[in-house]
Amino acid sequence: AQSVTQLGSHVSVSEGALVLLRCNYSSSVPPYLFWYVQYPNQGLQLLLKYTTGATLVKGINGFEAEFKKSETSFHLTKPSAHMSDAAEYFCAVSGNNQGGKLIFGQGTELSVKP
Amino acid sequence: DVKVTQSSRYLVKRTGEKVFLECVQDMDHENMFWYRQDPGLGLRLIYFSYDVKMKEKGDIPEGYSVSREKKERFSLILESASTNQTSMYLCASAIQQGNTEAFFGQGTRLTVV
Repeated sequence: AQSVTQLGSHVSVSEGALVLLRCNYSSSVPPYLFWYVQYPNQGLQLLLKYTTGATLVKGINGFEAEFKKSETSFHLTKPSAHMSDAAEYFCAVSGNNQGGKLIFGQGTELSVKP
Repeated sequence: DVKVTQSSRYLVKRTGEKVFLECVQDMDHENMFWYRQDPGLGLRLIYFSYDVKMKEKGDIPEGYSVSREKKERFSLILESASTNQTSMYLCASAIQQGNTEAFFGQGTRLTVV
């Protein structure tokens, strides 16, 4: 069985500050890991994904995430927050042979203060 | 760009009505999904389909059914809508390969009164 836990349903940062959104997963098979972003009244957009290979993954809009197998974590970071980063972020895991069949975390809403 | 289109952005239906949510994708993806999104619960899989006329239950299939008569189209059916089905519904599609992402539609916000 697989599961995802996102620590913190709401995170608030100041513009220019580091963004850190936490994600821990549980998986009995090698996981594929994803971060999605959802802007208000829109669908989900892929930020980045880890499948195999390099454990530090770079995505769109300056975000990156590091897969740490020993910690079962896939935390999302961005060095400097912009106002436009305010959105909801979802971590997801997949480990089977069906593309797109994802187990999602609860979501973290990111607020960015001027 | 992959496009997943849901037929309605907002719907208001009455309790007991039969409700159809339609989804079309234009990238010839084998897999299609219906997820339900609720605050604090993230997205939960209702049903998915890996081929025409094929379907599998997800984590919360009760009260829902699906139809996939053509590869590009995947419909979610609420046989008798109830107030606890008020939610955001998201359709997605993906190729069959396991390490690939899902592409999402804009969502349908359904309110059952």
